Amino acid sequence: AAGVIQSPRHLIKEKRETATLKCYPIPRHDTVYWYQQGPGQDPQFLISFYEKMQSDKGSIPDRFSAQQFSDYHSELNMSSLELGDSALYFCASSQPGTGERGQFFGPGTRLTVL
Amino acid sequence: DAKTTQPNSMESNEEEPVHLPCNHSTISGTDYIHWYRQLPSQGPEYVIHGLTSNVNNRMASLAIAEDRKSSTLILHRATLRDAAVYYCILGYSTLTFGKGTMLLVSP
Repeated sequence: AAGVIQSPRHLIKEKRETATLKCYPIPRHDTVYWYQQGPGQDPQFLISFYEKMQSDKGSIPDRFSAQQFSDYHSELNMSSLELGDSALYFCASSQPGTGERGQFFGPGTRLTVL
Repeated sequence: DAKTTQPNSMESNEEEPVHLPCNHSTISGTDYIHWYRQLPSQGPEYVIHGLTSNVNNRMASLAIAEDRKSSTLILHRATLRDAAVYYCILGYSTLTFGKGTMLLVSP
């Protein structure tokens, strides 16, 4: 079965640079969620999109922005990167109108900021 | 957000059943009870969810107390591949991960 695809899988950036993470949801899933997991920490919700509109917002820094495109893929844009942004970034998707039925997570993008 | 309380860690032997408890005394009437698990270096994985009634699927069973203030995730026969951090999460769609229970499985 198709899963959530994230790219790139690994990314190394310098401080103050920008980064773009991409997420391709499972086919026919219309909701996308972004989570950040720092070293030794639990995943933290950043932002979600339903039918290309922002549906919920968590602890996403102002330096970060995200959007969902017409093909339902999503991109997380991160600017003025800081050392503390080094983390695993997970994208998840869920089926239409069934947010309670489970989110399916991708393998994550490991971002390292030097 | 309603809070959940889980043991920091639990141990089990392979092939034995595992009961992972979760307390959620401030749960609201519309909160679903979700369980996810995260294996090392992987993304979280959906396990099961329920609202009021007990639920079974191929991975696990979810037993929900009548007053909904607690629930138990049941793995019927633990395997080494079940070693993970198990998260009990309340809500509808957006997931707020707490500390979770680290399940250790011994051969």
